[in-house]
Amino acid sequence: DAKTTQPTSMDCAEGRAANLPCNHSTISGNEYVYWYRQIHSQGPQYIIHGLKNNETNEMASLIITEDRKSSTLILPHATLRDTAVYYCIVRGNTGGFKTIFGAGTRLFVKA
Amino acid sequence: EAGVTQSPTHLIKTRGQQATLRCSPISGHTSVYWYQQALGLGLQFLLWYDEGEERNRGNFPPRFSGRQFPNYSSELNVNALELEDSALYLCASSPTGTGSTGELFFGEGSRLTVL
Repeated sequence: DAKTTQPTSMDCAEGRAANLPCNHSTISGNEYVYWYRQIHSQGPQYIIHGLKNNETNEMASLIITEDRKSSTLILPHATLRDTAVYYCIVRGNTGGFKTIFGAGTRLFVKA
Repeated sequence: EAGVTQSPTHLIKTRGQQATLRCSPISGHTSVYWYQQALGLGLQFLLWYDEGEERNRGNFPPRFSGRQFPNYSSELNVNALELEDSALYLCASSPTGTGSTGELFFGEGSRLTVL
């Protein structure tokens, strides 16, 4: 049921930017892109979301392509504590919708 | 502000028994979601409650059920437990209505072990 495609795993050197891609070619006009991460055995944590404009907060930046068929989550200066599974999700933003998580990308940040 | 709280943290049951897991959403949130995460696997959507009603359910058998109370807290019941029900059960809450940004806030989960 997941409508996103992400690489299974990625490596990143500590202090460097981590760029996590996500394909969502079937996204519809009213669907947002959300990113969450899950550090081992903890509950997932919301990171950021966007509709069509690029977004930035204290945790990350989200770059969405003009056609909205793909996006990239950027962690500007990855630390060891950023090692986690990162989930890219698309869903509507009006009221509540069931949120389907895919397999996500396992990011390993290495010293 | 208190986050989403789940209880119990750990629960051990035997096959055939029933398990009840509880979730208190963030104050003001009316939607509650339940997910199952078996060891090493992704999150599988179980149930979504809003305003006391079941709004949607995932591909799980009827022995997985739940309810949402008037104070928006929720309970997940698993009957006739099977070994493969061993998993981390995660609850999330979300505000609804206009102005909602739609993100989910997760608790730390209840780990159910079926022996």
